[in-house]
Amino acid sequence: DTEVTQTPKHLVMGMTNKKSLKCEQHMGHRAMYWYKQKAKKPPELMFVYSYEKLSINESVPSRFSPECPNSSLLNLHLHALQPEDSALYLCASSQDRLGQGEAFFGQGTRLTVV
Amino acid sequence: GESVGLHLPTLSVQEGDNSIINCAYSNSASDYFIWYKQESGKGPQFIIDIRSNMDKRQGQRVTVLLNKTVKHLSLQIAATQPGDSAVYFCAETGANSKLTFGKGITLSVRP
Repeated sequence: DTEVTQTPKHLVMGMTNKKSLKCEQHMGHRAMYWYKQKAKKPPELMFVYSYEKLSINESVPSRFSPECPNSSLLNLHLHALQPEDSALYLCASSQDRLGQGEAFFGQGTRLTVV
Repeated sequence: GESVGLHLPTLSVQEGDNSIINCAYSNSASDYFIWYKQESGKGPQFIIDIRSNMDKRQGQRVTVLLNKTVKHLSLQIAATQPGDSAVYFCAETGANSKLTFGKGITLSVRP
């Protein structure tokens, strides 16, 4: 299994809603990542988890809250988002943090904030 | 500041021709470079990589060339097919291992 699975594929939420994005991998990877990608732009790193601990937060607003319940799962909790947060949210995983360039990406969650 | 960028935003090629996608990087400490392909509605997909101690690496129909002197990276696709139509990103990692993507170029293959 060389897949990174993200759910849901699409999400529409209001600015007062609370929702969560989920990511799962069963490759035994110990590093997992959240990226944000706006249309026609490259992915931008948000968070890095290494061995289930948050190792990098790229100055992401607190309305985005990551969680790594175990080595296979990564969540992104969303609360009080703004319309400009609408984007494709990508999860990725790699063997370890040093192997970030060899990461496998999921298909993303297309988020629309209304 | 440090950046990874591409020279052209779009590239249109005839099916069967070879494609060359170029990328410039500015971080001289970068030691690992990757090309990704992203199709519509999908996440980036690893195509090929190269480390800084090499100047050329070949895969199936793809070749990556690295010129460290001028900080230039290129992706060559032989016999381009309609399925190659996508956005291509170069990316690099340096000593801090943070993966930084370039701006992306759209490859459009004409039948």
